[in-house]
This record gives sequence, structure tokens and C-alpha cells, in this order.
Amino acid sequence: AQKVTQAQTEISVVEKEDVTLDCVYETRDTTYYLFWYKQPPSGELVFLIRRNSFDEQNEISGRYSWNFQKSTSSFNFTITASQVVDSAVYFCALRDTSGTYKYIFGTGTRLKVLA
Amino acid sequence: NAGVTQTPKFRVLKTGQSMTLLCAQDMNHEYMYWYRQDPGMGLRLIHYSVGEGTTAKGEVPDGYNVSRLKKQNFLLGLESAAPSQTSVYFCASRVNTGELFFGEGSRLTVL
Repeated sequence: AQKVTQAQTEISVVEKEDVTLDCVYETRDTTYYLFWYKQPPSGELVFLIRRNSFDEQNEISGRYSWNFQKSTSSFNFTITASQVVDSAVYFCALRDTSGTYKYIFGTGTRLKVLA
Repeated sequence: NAGVTQTPKFRVLKTGQSMTLLCAQDMNHEYMYWYRQDPGMGLRLIHYSVGEGTTAKGEVPDGYNVSRLKKQNFLLGLESAAPSQTSVYFCASRVNTGELFFGEGSRLTVL
């Protein structure tokens, strides 16, 4: 069965601090896809990144970086030099290729960046 | 503008009433999804569709029905609303690169 765990319910940091959001997943498939979404206070869900199970390269996009480790079934998200605008709920999600086409989300981590 | 449009954005129902949420996408996507978001529960999949005329159950399908008569529309119905169905509902469609593109959400309150 698929499962995504985001153990950090809420994190508070001071502006300019680095912060890492954890995501641990479970799947029996060898081929799967992982995603991160951002939900700012306005409520919409914004896609951030997609990673497939065959690509373990870490990715950096500006202040955002993602660390994918199959050995620990983790796909962690780091924000460097956090800003107030980073305050949001962040969701990690998993889709495997067992044919069900389901996207399973974690419970989310609320990030508060204090000025 | 291209995207996923949910109607209505807000609705208040009394217990036992019925209603339908409409999701419309103009991107010709095959796969569409309905999720509900509740505090501390994240996004939970209600039903989904892999193409016109098809539907399938997600994690929390009880109390909901869906229909996909046209490719661009995915309807979510509540036949007899219950307070436990108070939630924010999100519709999404799957883009060609594999991620989900979400609508703005519909806030439903059942009294």
C-alpha cells in the first residue's frame, strides 16, 4: 500500500534561517513519482517539483532544494535563507505505477517564517 | 484562461440536503480527481476518473458519487449531506508531465 508521512506538523523559523521539511514514503512499486506542493494562506495548491524513482539526483531551484534518497525512502525539501513569503503548508505526494493512478498525499507541514 | 474551475466556491447546506460540485477543465486532460482537505488530515482522495465515462473510488468514497459524462467535466455529488462532509474540496486534473493541476477549492459547510 502507498503511504506518505510528513511527521513535522508545524515548523517555525526566523527569516533567513534554513529549514528542511521531511517526507517519508512507502510503496511496493519500483517505479513511482514523488511531488511537492505548496499551499499559501490564500489556499490554492501550487506544484513545486516532480521526481521519478529512477532519478536520484538532487535538484536545486533558487532557494529550494530537494534530496531524494531511495535507501531511506525519503524526499526532503530544504528552503535556504527562508523568507516570510515561504510561510505556507507544504505537501509531499506519491504516485506509483501499479495501475491505480492514485496520488496519495501526506498530512502536510505548516511552515511559519517569522520576520 | 486555461485551468481547472470549481463551482460553487462556497456553499452551506443543511443535514440531509443534496448538492453537486462541478469541476471543469479546458486542457483536454484525461485524468481528473476529487480530494477533500480537513485540518490535520491532509488531502484525501475521494474519487477519480481516468477518462470520459470512467470513475473509480479513492480513499474516502463513502457518501459521495461522481460522474464523468464529458471529458472536460467531473461532478461530485452528495446525496444526503452530513456534518462530517464539512470540508474544503479540491478538484485536479493530471497534466502531461505527470503532476496534478488543482482548482481553487470549494468550501462546503454542512449544518
